[in-house]
Amino acid sequence: DTAVSQTPKYLVTQMGNDKSIKCEQNLGHDTMYWYKQDSKKFLKIMFSYNNKELIINETVPNRFSPKSPDKAHLNLHINSLELGDSAVYFCASRDGDRGPLHFGNGTRLTVT
Amino acid sequence: KNQVEQSPQSLIILEGKNCTLQCNYTVSPFSNLRWYKQDTGRGPVSLTIMTFSENTKSNGRYTATLDADTKQSSLHITASQLSDSASYICVVVTWLGAWGNQFYFGTGTSLTVIP
Repeated sequence: DTAVSQTPKYLVTQMGNDKSIKCEQNLGHDTMYWYKQDSKKFLKIMFSYNNKELIINETVPNRFSPKSPDKAHLNLHINSLELGDSAVYFCASRDGDRGPLHFGNGTRLTVT
Repeated sequence: KNQVEQSPQSLIILEGKNCTLQCNYTVSPFSNLRWYKQDTGRGPVSLTIMTFSENTKSNGRYTATLDADTKQSSLHITASQLSDSASYICVVVTWLGAWGNQFYFGTGTSLTVIP
């Protein structure tokens, strides 16, 4: 069973559309994250959620909004998509403050 | 400015050979340093986690070193295998107290192992 699963794996959409990426973890972790990996393979944190409470919100546009219906899910909703949003988005989870991050396999978003 | 720099950017080695990847950081305050392996099309997978007091940590053929004084770390891969072909990412973590941890990612070293 996949520990951290993201859907969809690929997402191609036009500028101006609204889309969502779903993430679920079955590890029982209490913290979940969203990362953006750009074309240079650099991973940058976007959001961190602990027990449904936002802890860290990096300087991302407010078109991006994380939504956590419960401890096991952290979905990423993006409004008014722009060309520069094209990237691979990774969901991750972690148990407490010391454990390793467990990543999903990523969602490749292409905005045309 | 908190930064994590890795070298080389890419590396090609023959199967069975050893290699060493470098990571230099300016992140402060330091909590721990992690090495991740990212296969193409997959999410990163944790290899090692080292705190300030740990100088060396091994995970199979992977051995990570940490010099917290010079703010340098290395990842040594012994007897490389074709399956080692991947990107290796160095991550330095700070502790923000009630705000939790902040992760700083390097841009990675792309390793290709050829037969």
